[in-house]
Amino acid sequence: NAGVTQTPKFQVLKTGQSMTLQCAQDMNHEYMSWYRQDPGMGLRLIHYSVGAGITDQGEVPNGYNVSRSTTEDFPLRLLSAAPSQTSVYFCASSNTRLAAYEQYFGPGTRLTVT
Amino acid sequence: DAKTTQPNSMESNEEEPVHLPCNHSTISGTDYIHWYRQLPSQGPEYVIHGLTSNVNNRMASLAIAEDRKSSTLILHRATLRDAAVYYCIHDSNYQLIWGAGTKLIIKP
Repeated sequence: NAGVTQTPKFQVLKTGQSMTLQCAQDMNHEYMSWYRQDPGMGLRLIHYSVGAGITDQGEVPNGYNVSRSTTEDFPLRLLSAAPSQTSVYFCASSNTRLAAYEQYFGPGTRLTVT
Repeated sequence: DAKTTQPNSMESNEEEPVHLPCNHSTISGTDYIHWYRQLPSQGPEYVIHGLTSNVNNRMASLAIAEDRKSSTLILHRATLRDAAVYYCIHDSNYQLIWGAGTKLIIKP
């Protein structure tokens, strides 16, 4: 199993640009989530999904959209990038439908917005 | 908000046990306690979780106080590969709310 994969590893955007961060998992996990991590801080939940077709907001959802059309994929879209969105983004999945237990994390995408 | 309190950093000698404390005074009766760790430049890694009784797995042990307002992660024999930031979390409405964690430094 590849586990949780994320692309790209690094990205530089200009203010106002949009882009999609990709996340995929091959473990047939129902629960998937997106976090951001700012320097020296813990992770903050952006959006999560408890199954295909179901998404919900986390702690810091503004400026981000998600969709979950398949069990495997959970892309994160930045609508209009801002310097405040410079961060490392992690995708995670769990085989527990309703709860964020025993999450497996991807390697992260380091995003810089200039 | 679900909030945990941990020391900013701790040091330990290689091959000795490590006890990482965590306070979670706002925890409710059905919230689990989770521990993750993050090695440098990597995504977090699940360590262990529990509800009331002590838990053991291949990585660590989790000792939960009787009133559930604190817990301790125990690494039985630390190695240099255990140097990481350790996060103690309890869930709130099935979401994990992360703090800044404890940076564990292992001295050879």
